[in-house]
Amino acid sequence: QVQLVQSGAEVKKPGASVKVSCKVSGYTLTELSMHWVRQAPGRGLEWMGGFDPEDGETMYAQKFQGRVTMTEDTSTDTAYMELSSLRSEDTAVYYCTTVQDDWFDPWGQGTLVTVSS
Amino acid sequence: SYELTQPPSVSVSPGQTASITCSGDKLGDKYACWYQQKPGQSPVLVIFQDTKRPSGIPERFSGSNSGNTATLTISGTQAMDEADYYCQAWDSSTDNYVFGTGTKVTVL
Repeated sequence: QVQLVQSGAEVKKPGASVKVSCKVSGYTLTELSMHWVRQAPGRGLEWMGGFDPEDGETMYAQKFQGRVTMTEDTSTDTAYMELSSLRSEDTAVYYCTTVQDDWFDPWGQGTLVTVSS
Repeated sequence: SYELTQPPSVSVSPGQTASITCSGDKLGDKYACWYQQKPGQSPVLVIFQDTKRPSGIPERFSGSNSGNTATLTISGTQAMDEADYYCQAWDSSTDNYVFGTGTKVTVL
């Protein structure tokens, strides 16, 4: 079965960038469609974007267009999500998760990113 | 953009049935799924493709989807079912995955 292990918590200053990693085991990254979802403290789940295997492109939610980059290193089966120009509203837990048809399963353990001056 | 709306909270007595609704325009024309999230934990898929349960999810969890509303039903609710629940669907018109607003289930 697929297991997703994410990198540790990060503290960043406003305007900085953060790069979160997600290591896959049990499958290879090329067999999966990796996506990223975030959850601000006390708030709901918010889809950020992910890989569309139908066209081989990465799609991003409009809200994050121009600020987020999702990449993959197939040699290490590790996916990355980089978010730039951080602001306090980006303080959240960031999850990697894989798409099966149109649902997400499983999920990584989450990475807390705190943006504070 | 496509929106999915859930009631903020639902309360249920142990052993009773909890129903959580998820409303969206013509949601019945899409597949809906549901996630359970306990405090400090990652979401867990409990229902996919409207009615299907993943391996390991108890039979007391069931789902339906018709018209503008999808429903997650927890029969014989147990204390361990106390959690936040989120519905989710894929909007083909925007190629976006959309989550519901979330419902906190309290087992009194």
